[in-house]
Amino acid sequence: AQTVTQSQPEMSVQEAETVTLSCTYDTSESDYYLFWYKQPPSRQMILVIRQEAYKQQNATENRFSVNFQKAAKSFSLKISDSQLGDAAMYFCAYRSRLRTGKLIFGQGTTLQVKP
Amino acid sequence: DVKVTQSSRYLVKRTGEKVFLECVQDMDHENMFWYRQDPGLGLRLIYFSYDVKMKEKGDIPEGYSVSREKKERFSLILESASTNQTSMYLCASSVPSSAPSTDTQYFGPGTRLTVL
Repeated sequence: AQTVTQSQPEMSVQEAETVTLSCTYDTSESDYYLFWYKQPPSRQMILVIRQEAYKQQNATENRFSVNFQKAAKSFSLKISDSQLGDAAMYFCAYRSRLRTGKLIFGQGTTLQVKP
Repeated sequence: DVKVTQSSRYLVKRTGEKVFLECVQDMDHENMFWYRQDPGLGLRLIYFSYDVKMKEKGDIPEGYSVSREKKERFSLILESASTNQTSMYLCASSVPSSAPSTDTQYFGPGTRLTVL
């Protein structure tokens, strides 16, 4: 069975600084997808960024980028130029290519942004 | 914009009660999901449905059942609520696809259920 682990329950960053959230996963599959979701205090979960395992190039979405290390089974999220609106809980998630739709989530990391 | 709504933001029930949590999506999505979210455990899949009247167990289905009579509505049922079912419940929907670019899950705002 696949598992996703986020070992940092809480992180904090100064506004305008850069922060990296860690995620590791375990799978025997070679083809899968990885995601970072954001859950602001209002609780509506939204997708931040996605990565396809067969792509070597790291995904980027504006100030958000990932460091995908397939051999190490690591998928970290880097937030550059942090803003107050980035404060939220962040979840790393895994999806098998073969099992459409089903996501496996990590435990979550609460990010605090200090002004 | 996709909209996923849940019938209640907060709900308080007593042990043994039958509880219905409703989820509605307005984007004609085939897939719908029910998760529970607990501190330190993340989100865990309870049930999901990939079509009307179709359902499949997730990772923690015990104590729950679901109903999907219409495409836009997916209900989670706690047959006899227990205190260990106190949690945040999140509903999500998506279009089925083998590619993640069109398989984004859209989440509702969540229902905080307390069972006394």
